[in-house]
Amino acid sequence: DTGVSQDPRHKITKRGQNVTFRCDPISEHNRLYWYRQTLGQGPEFLTYFQNEAQLEKSRLLSDRFSAERPKGSFSTLEIQRTEQGDSAMYLCASSSDRGHQETQYFGPGTRLLVL
Amino acid sequence: GENVEQHPSTLSVQEGDSAVIKCTYSDSASNYFPWYKQELGKRPQLIIDIRSNVGEKKDQRIAVTLNKTAKHFSLHITETQPEDSAVYFCAAPIDSWGKFQFGAGTQVVVTP
Repeated sequence: DTGVSQDPRHKITKRGQNVTFRCDPISEHNRLYWYRQTLGQGPEFLTYFQNEAQLEKSRLLSDRFSAERPKGSFSTLEIQRTEQGDSAMYLCASSSDRGHQETQYFGPGTRLLVL
Repeated sequence: GENVEQHPSTLSVQEGDSAVIKCTYSDSASNYFPWYKQELGKRPQLIIDIRSNVGEKKDQRIAVTLNKTAKHFSLHITETQPEDSAVYFCAAPIDSWGKFQFGAGTQVVVTP
């Protein structure tokens, strides 16, 4: 499978614990995006990268959230001191800045449940 | 900032009928407007997109129209089939780096 992959697919954690998610983009894609999706809503932008550079972080994102893409390939999203309100689907997408640069391809998501 | 409104939130159609979903946006940083289909428990998948140098694009039973002056774009599904049942999302670009704002989605139910 050469599409976007995410790991884990599901995560159940207790409030206050830290969690980390991983995203592997399509190999030739240099742009990577993180979104959060709650039931009945569209994907909500969290942050994005051009290669290893983080371009922007949503103002909706608290300081408990951090994302990295150290080598410009895979990315990790960490949530510290999780809260019940963090329960959601976390989606990753990637695109290329060549050709049809705007097209984003999504991964299967990581579904987080905070108890 | 960018605001994308999508209507209707739910749409029930008889198999074989057409479905139309509309989105409006307040501003756009680029010329690219995609539509995604998301089945229950699955990832959003791109089904069609349009760039503002054209007003309409078709791909078999799916078409998208764009009116940049009025700032709205629509998804048209003809001859609907049960497998078209899903949530559909529009998206509008906020910047030239690929940042999008998504609509809230339209739950389409096609009944046999």
